[in-house]
Amino acid sequence: EVQLVESGGGLAQPGGSLRLSCAASGFTFSRYWMTWVRQAPGKGLEWVANIKEDGSEKYYVDSVKGRFSISRDNAKNSVYLQMNSLRAEDKAVYYCARLNFYYYGVDVWGQGTTVTVSS
Amino acid sequence: NFMLTQPHSVSESPGKTVTIPCTRSSGSIASNHVQWYQQRPGSAPTTVIYENNQRPSGVPDRFSGSIDSSSNSASLTIFGLKTEDEADYYCQSYDSTNQVFGGGTKLTVL
Repeated sequence: EVQLVESGGGLAQPGGSLRLSCAASGFTFSRYWMTWVRQAPGKGLEWVANIKEDGSEKYYVDSVKGRFSISRDNAKNSVYLQMNSLRAEDKAVYYCARLNFYYYGVDVWGQGTTVTVSS
Repeated sequence: NFMLTQPHSVSESPGKTVTIPCTRSSGSIASNHVQWYQQRPGSAPTTVIYENNQRPSGVPDRFSGSIDSSSNSASLTIFGLKTEDEADYYCQSYDSTNQVFGGGTKLTVL
C-alpha cells in the first residue's frame, strides 16, 4: 500500500523552529518528486515547497523563502521540511504529498501534521 | 503568475448534477494540466481528477473533468449526486515550477 506518514508537528513560539518529517512506503521513493502543501485553519490549500527526485532542485512559495528548507533522504525514504523563523501565519496542517511530475499534480497525500505557532 | 478562481460554494440535491468551475486569470487554461481534489471535513485531500479529465482508480465515473478554452476555465462535473459527495473541492494547476491552487468550493448536497 502506498503511504505517506507525517510527524514532527506541534507547538512552536514565534521565531522558533520545527522540523517536519514524512516517511514514505509502498513505492520507489527515489523516483518521485515530493511536495509539502499546507492548510491554515478554515482556509484553502497552499503549496509550500517541492523537491526533485535526487534533491538537486528545490522550489518554494515566496512567503517561506529563506525560512523553510525542504530536503530528502532517499536511503530512508523520507522527506523533511525544516521551518525556521516561524510566524503566526505559518499555523496550519502540513501535508506531505507525492508529486506526479508529468502533470505536476499530487497523486498521493499524507494525513497531515498540525503546526501551531503561539507564545 | 496566475490565479485560479472558484465559487465559494454550490449546492444541489441528491441525484442531480453539479458543475464547479475554475477560471484561470491569465495564460491559457490549456497550457498546463488541471487537477481536482476532494476534501471531506476533517480529512486529508484526495485526488478525483488529474490531467484535466482522468480519474484515478477507485474514483467513480460520476466524476468528470473538462477544460474550455473559450472561457479559460476548467470544470468538475459530478453526476448523480450522493450525500457522500458533500466536501470541499479544489482545482490545481501550475506555473513553471510552482503549484497553484484555487480557493476551493464547498459543495453541499441537500
